[in-house]
Amino acid sequence: GAGVSQSPSNKVTEKGKDVELRCDPISGHTALYWYRQRLGQGLEFLIYFQGNSAPDKSGLPSDRFSAERTGESVSTLTIQRTQQEDSAVYLCASSLGRGGFKNEQFFGPGTRLTVL
Amino acid sequence: DQQVKQNSPSLSVQEGRISILNCDYTNSMFDYFLWYKKYPAEGPTFLISISSIKDKNEDGRFTVFLNKSAKHLSLHIVPSQPGDSAVYFCAADDSGGYQKVTFGTGTKLQVIP
Repeated sequence: GAGVSQSPSNKVTEKGKDVELRCDPISGHTALYWYRQRLGQGLEFLIYFQGNSAPDKSGLPSDRFSAERTGESVSTLTIQRTQQEDSAVYLCASSLGRGGFKNEQFFGPGTRLTVL
Repeated sequence: DQQVKQNSPSLSVQEGRISILNCDYTNSMFDYFLWYKKYPAEGPTFLISISSIKDKNEDGRFTVFLNKSAKHLSLHIVPSQPGDSAVYFCAADDSGGYQKVTFGTGTKLQVIP
């Protein structure tokens, strides 16, 4: 695969349900980021994985949000008991690693989440 | 605490003219800066970057200028084309890898034919 892929591309769910979003980074990229973009707003950092280091979870908005990454591959972002304010495009990005040009991030197309 | 700021949410420019997008940062540890372009319904794509050892980096129609003392950078697009219409995000990083990449809120550029 040439780029970062995300699935599903669109997800409509009912308030209170749990959702799981998936990201497949570029092979060999040790760093993986999750962002969200609400309508009309900028990129909001959620969580950052770098190799085997403990993830930086400082951007997760509440304990309903969690993410995992298996080694240096697939990551899943889970939102429990979804709320309407969770509606947004969730973007995943990967990069070669930490610092400078290694942090040139390659983004996936995003998952558009709509909570009814 | 918004460490990277893009104070202009939108900008309109006539085709063929220069587009200037601005970005300010507050964290003095940032020494590597990136610009991304985002079209609707797509993820952002990397456009151009600059290290703090330089004050200018040019790639075709795109030039990024860095003023370290003012903690300010700008992206110049000359000449602007309708296909440049997109949201532009500024991002900042430290090359030592102690900070995570931090994005600004974006500027929506519209190039009018």
